[in-house]
Amino acid sequence: GENVEQHPSTLSVQEGDSAVIKCTYSDSASNYFPWYKQELGKRPQLIIDIRSNVGEKKDQRIAVTLNKTAKHFSLHITETQPEDSAVYFCAARLNQAGTALIFGKGTTLSVSS
Amino acid sequence: KAGVTQTPRYLIKTRGQQVTLSCSPISGHRSVSWYQQTPGQGLQFLFEYFSETQRNKGNFPGRFSGRQFSNSRSEMNVSTLELGDSALYLCASSITGTETYEQYFGPGTRLTVT
Repeated sequence: GENVEQHPSTLSVQEGDSAVIKCTYSDSASNYFPWYKQELGKRPQLIIDIRSNVGEKKDQRIAVTLNKTAKHFSLHITETQPEDSAVYFCAARLNQAGTALIFGKGTTLSVSS
Repeated sequence: KAGVTQTPRYLIKTRGQQVTLSCSPISGHRSVSWYQQTPGQGLQFLFEYFSETQRNKGNFPGRFSGRQFSNSRSEMNVSTLELGDSALYLCASSITGTETYEQYFGPGTRLTVT
C-alpha cells in the first residue's frame, strides 16, 4: 500500500526566511497530493494541493512542486511570518477507489520574529 | 455552507467499554473518511465510506468499525476500549466527483481511555 515519508520533523526559521518541507511516496500510481496545516488545538486545514499532471502550483507565499519520476513532492513557504508556525502534513491519495489519504508524520514549523 | 461537525467533542471512557462517535459531513458531500491522530503516530487512516458502503479500510483491528447512513452522516464505533485508543478522532468529508479529491476535516473528538 501507499506510504508517505516526511522530512524534517521540526524546522525553525527566522521571520522572512523561506521554509521547505519534503515528502516521498511509494505508489507510482498516486495522483493527488495535498498539504494540510494544523495549528495547536485546531483541525487540519487544506492549504494547497497538486495533481500528478502538474509539476508546480503556487498560491501567494505557498508553492508545491512534484517530481513524479523521483516520487517526491515539496512545500515551499516564502517570506515566513509568525502565523505560519504550525504542524504541516503532506499526504497522498490512498488508491484510485476513493479519496482516503495516507499522511506523512508531520513537520513542526516554528517561525521566530 | 456549514463545515464538518463531530459529536461529542470530548469523551472519557474506561478500559473495556465501547464508544460511538458521530460525523456530519458538509452538505452535498457523500464521502466520509475517519482518521486517528496521536502524537506518536500522526494521522492514521481508519476507513472511508461512500454511499453507505465502506470503500477503503486502514490497518486497524476489528474493534474499530463504522457505518454511513443515507444522509451521508457517519458513525464509528470502538469496542473493548484499550488505553492505546486514547487519541483525537477526526473525520473528513469530500464531495466525490470526477477529479475531485479535496477532503475537509471536522474538529475531532478527543477520546481519553482510563
